[in-house]
Amino acid sequence: DTAVSQTPKYLVTQMGNDKSIKCEQNLGHDTMYWYKQDSKKFLKIMFSYNNKELIINETVPNRFSPKSPDKAHLNLHINSLELGDSAVYFCASSHRVALAGELFFGEGSRLTVL
Amino acid sequence: KQEVTQIPAALSVPEGENLVLNCSFTDSAIYNLQWFRQDPGKGLTSLLLIQSSQREQTSGRLNASLDKSSGRSTLYIAASQPGDSATYLCAVRGKTSYDKVIFGPGTSLSVIP
Repeated sequence: DTAVSQTPKYLVTQMGNDKSIKCEQNLGHDTMYWYKQDSKKFLKIMFSYNNKELIINETVPNRFSPKSPDKAHLNLHINSLELGDSAVYFCASSHRVALAGELFFGEGSRLTVL
Repeated sequence: KQEVTQIPAALSVPEGENLVLNCSFTDSAIYNLQWFRQDPGKGLTSLLLIQSSQREQTSGRLNASLDKSSGRSTLYIAASQPGDSATYLCAVRGKTSYDKVIFGPGTSLSVIP
């Protein structure tokens, strides 16, 4: 059973389009995250939700809109895609108290904007 | 503002060697520190997590230490194997369990058979 799963794994699209990435975790965690890994492989936090509430919102263009329908799911919608949005987007989860807040990651969603 | 650095950026060793990867962070007020490995084109796999009150953690051939006062952590890999080849990332969570996790740039390790 995959603990943190993301779909799709690969996404190729044209500039200006809108796309979504979905994430689900079956670990019983209460906190979920989106990270962006750029071409230089640097990982940067974008958003974090705890029990469906947004708790971290880094300096991300408002074209990016996360949504957490419940604490097991966190989706990322991106409007008006730009070339610079090409990256690998990772979903992660943790429990705020249990397991000392250990982070678990999904396999990533590689977005290519043409 | 917390900053995390890792030295060296890349490392190539012959199989069987013991090696040390270094991680430094600027703000010693941390909740925990976690080491990950990332294989090419894959997600991150958690290796070890050290809570702020701990000094070290061990798992098999891996040992991670934490010195909060000096803002340093090391990951020791014993008897390296070609399968250890990957990028190793250090990540630090701020003061509380709500704070964000900041990643270092990683050390790319290559173990030569």
